[in-house]
Amino acid sequence: ETGVTQSPTHLIKTRGQQVTLRCSSQSGHNTVSWYQQALGQGPQFIFQYYREEENGRGNFPPRFSGLQFPNYSSELNVNALELDDSALYLCASSPGGQAGVAYNEQFFGPGTRLTVL
Amino acid sequence: RKEVEQDPGPFNVPEGATVAFNCTYSNSASQSFFWYRQDCRKEPKLLMSVYSSGNEDGRFTAQLNRASQYISLLIRDSKLSDSATYLCVVTSFSGTYKYIFGTGTRLKVLA
Repeated sequence: ETGVTQSPTHLIKTRGQQVTLRCSSQSGHNTVSWYQQALGQGPQFIFQYYREEENGRGNFPPRFSGLQFPNYSSELNVNALELDDSALYLCASSPGGQAGVAYNEQFFGPGTRLTVL
Repeated sequence: RKEVEQDPGPFNVPEGATVAFNCTYSNSASQSFFWYRQDCRKEPKLLMSVYSSGNEDGRFTAQLNRASQYISLLIRDSKLSDSATYLCVVTSFSGTYKYIFGTGTRLKVLA
């Protein structure tokens, strides 16, 4: 077990709704990244937070947003859900500082499986 | 062209075989490289980092070729428990952070 937890484990929503996914990072880790993994694909980087600031972003529209809290836990919010948002959403934490983040191993949580109907 | 490309497989090999996976990347400024393993319906887990000089961990050997922009993973003496999807990861940081996964290569080791 990595010590990274995510909630909920499964979620079913309908198109147009909004969803909030949660992640608790491993103790001592100040950096959290979020990924979307569609079936049969590798994880796609959504964004990363370091000490409550967004530190990097992949090719996702603004309706994907996030937060990181002072205890380094994090939320991923998705507005105006679309059918293609159905995927496994993975959170990963790492101990890296801002400049060195790219060098650190990431520890993944078990994911939240989102189904949009 | 995708930033990180892998042959999706599947690679079906008998127990005891040696199997190799390659992964190519397009960004010459990429800084760090990793291989992750992902079991069915589970989260990815780090298998090994990839260093410029190459590195070995038991039956696993990773190589990096910066000139040709690819990394490789060699698995010797395959075990049934090696059956999984192997994901290569390439990272870069130039003001903003990017951590790019390949689509993964499926390996099935057969008894």
